[in-house]
Amino acid sequence: DAGVIQSPRHEVTEMGQEVTLRCKPISGHNSLFWYRQTMMRGLELLIYFNNNVPIDDSGMPEDRFSAKMPNASFSTLKIQPSEPRDSAVYFCASSAYDQSYGYTFGSGTRLTVV
Amino acid sequence: AQSVSQHNHHVILSEAASLELGCNYSYGGTVNLFWYVQYPGQHLQLLLKYFSGDPLVKGIKGFEAEFIKSKFSFNLRKPSVQWSDTAEYFCAVSPWISSGSARQLTFGSGTQLTVLP
Repeated sequence: DAGVIQSPRHEVTEMGQEVTLRCKPISGHNSLFWYRQTMMRGLELLIYFNNNVPIDDSGMPEDRFSAKMPNASFSTLKIQPSEPRDSAVYFCASSAYDQSYGYTFGSGTRLTVV
Repeated sequence: AQSVSQHNHHVILSEAASLELGCNYSYGGTVNLFWYVQYPGQHLQLLLKYFSGDPLVKGIKGFEAEFIKSKFSFNLRKPSVQWSDTAEYFCAVSPWISSGSARQLTFGSGTQLTVLP
């Protein structure tokens, strides 16, 4: 099991550019979560999907953020246009139907917007 | 909605000292409880979890936690810490559901543990 795979590991971009973060959940997991981690705000849930359907996107900061899950093995988080305050580490996590297995996190994408 | 409080923001201990990190949650129903650890520059790793049954839960690396329902607490303990335990520790809670897919995991603000050699 390769775990939750995120790409890229690091992304540096200029303000105003579009950024796309990618996540491949663990095979067989049917829930996927996007979190953002900053020093000021800690770990914040942005959005989560169950069976590829967005369930709660109330944590998405604003319309510049969007997330998709076109199939069970892939999700994207897009920021357009990016701003310096979006700089953070973005984590993806997945969970199985049986919650007793817990939530498995990916290695994260460190985004820097200059 | 659920919330989690971790009152210790930074704990400094010497090797071999005992550790207890506090965690309190707020939620009107049944919950699942977790402790995660994040080593510098790394992702979150699950230390232990509580779903039901014995309120004393044992996890990896010698950590354990006790769920006290009446106090809404899930404190993390380790009898003797090592330098390699230096990391940030997060308590988290999710609503318990009898069937269906997972619900969101809400994290506390984290406790930075520094173990001095």
